[in-house]
Amino acid sequence: DTAVSQTPKYLVTQMGNDKSIKCEQNLGHDTMYWYKQDSKKFLKIMFSYNNKELIINETVPNRFSPKSPDKAHLNLHINSLELGDSAVYFCASSQDPGIYGYTFGSGTRLTVV
Amino acid sequence: LAKTTQPISMDSYEGQEVNITCSHNNIATNDYITWYQQFPSQGPRFIIQGYKTKVTNEVASLFIPADRKSSTLSLPRVSLSDTAVYYCLVGPNNAGNMLTFGGGTRLMVKP
Repeated sequence: DTAVSQTPKYLVTQMGNDKSIKCEQNLGHDTMYWYKQDSKKFLKIMFSYNNKELIINETVPNRFSPKSPDKAHLNLHINSLELGDSAVYFCASSQDPGIYGYTFGSGTRLTVV
Repeated sequence: LAKTTQPISMDSYEGQEVNITCSHNNIATNDYITWYQQFPSQGPRFIIQGYKTKVTNEVASLFIPADRKSSTLSLPRVSLSDTAVYYCLVGPNNAGNMLTFGGGTRLMVKP
């Protein structure tokens, strides 16, 4: 049973397209996150949702829109994809990060051509 | 958020003890220190967390000096499967906090 699952694992698309990445967690955690990892391996927080409510929204272009239909799901929709959006996107969840940290999915490698 | 500095890479051999040090000079009073491990094509995995002195679990030990301006992750008797990137994070210990992972330390364990 995968705790945090993302789909798709790989995504290759052309500039200007719109795409979505889905994330689901079966851990019963209240908080979910989207992170972006660039080529230098820096992982930057993009969004955080707590019980379906947006609580963190870092400086991310408006083309990125998270959606949380329920607390077990946090999807990421990206409009008008650009070359610079190519990266690995990780979904994560937590209940008490002070004790157990964050549980990450295996990532979605997005390549914009 | 406190900025962290780690070596970019380290090499070791199987069976050796590996110590990875992280500097965090501007750590705040309510900040905790957390270490994660990331294998290729996987998300980071929580290893250990501490506030001061020493913490040990089944995977690693974390040493934190009294001034808390640095911390050292200690991996006893590494194996090839410990080859990974190790990230040090410093931040508030509460849900919803924003944590940005730095570049991490790429550990290569050789036979």
